[in-house]
Amino acid sequence: GAVVSQHPSWVICKSGTSVKIECRSLDFQATTMFWYRQFPKQSLMLMATSNEGSKATYEQGVEKDKFLINHASLTLSTLTVTSAHPEDSSFYICSAKREFSSTDTQYFGPGTRLTVL
Amino acid sequence: AQKVTQAQTEISVVEKEDVTLDCVYETRDTTYYLFWYKQPPSGELVFLIRRNSFDEQNEISGRYSWNFQKSTSSFNFTITASQVVDSAVYFCALERGSGTYKYIFGTGTRLKVLA
Repeated sequence: GAVVSQHPSWVICKSGTSVKIECRSLDFQATTMFWYRQFPKQSLMLMATSNEGSKATYEQGVEKDKFLINHASLTLSTLTVTSAHPEDSSFYICSAKREFSSTDTQYFGPGTRLTVL
Repeated sequence: AQKVTQAQTEISVVEKEDVTLDCVYETRDTTYYLFWYKQPPSGELVFLIRRNSFDEQNEISGRYSWNFQKSTSSFNFTITASQVVDSAVYFCALERGSGTYKYIFGTGTRLKVLA
């Protein structure tokens, strides 16, 4: 089956630093990827849609200057949390839409747990 | 507005019991997709099922079954003869507009299966 990886799986950083999270589709091309955030014991909230070769589309209430998204290739999207603060601590999950798939579904990565001290 | 409601926050059952997880959705779209995902403690989402709005047939996959009723906007999930490995958080999701691939997730139901 299709596989999506995320790196790192967890990261701890100091307040004020920036953290980059990678999302890769390992065995398929993905024009579109999505970034979700999940706070402890809460649901997944869509943050943004990442489009290869163009600017990301952010959901209402998500600061685009805070969460920088770059979709540089058909298999890689990155989310950079700039000047991270403790309130940014969360579980970040990406997903990728598989191109030319008869099942028309998206595949989720294993998530990245960010802890900001 | 589009919305997914999972009213059951947490359910505990004893192993081998059957359990049904409820999902009620709201949408004005005529074409839409509904999903169920399992999220074990590791955090990785496991895809369980995708159902389009035109297919109201119930589905069974091993111990799992799903009941889709458009009349009540519900897409319930039943686990038969539950096992400890079924312990996880289960999310119901609605694709926000056909073809967008943007999912609206419910708040999830935490299932605890006790040995």
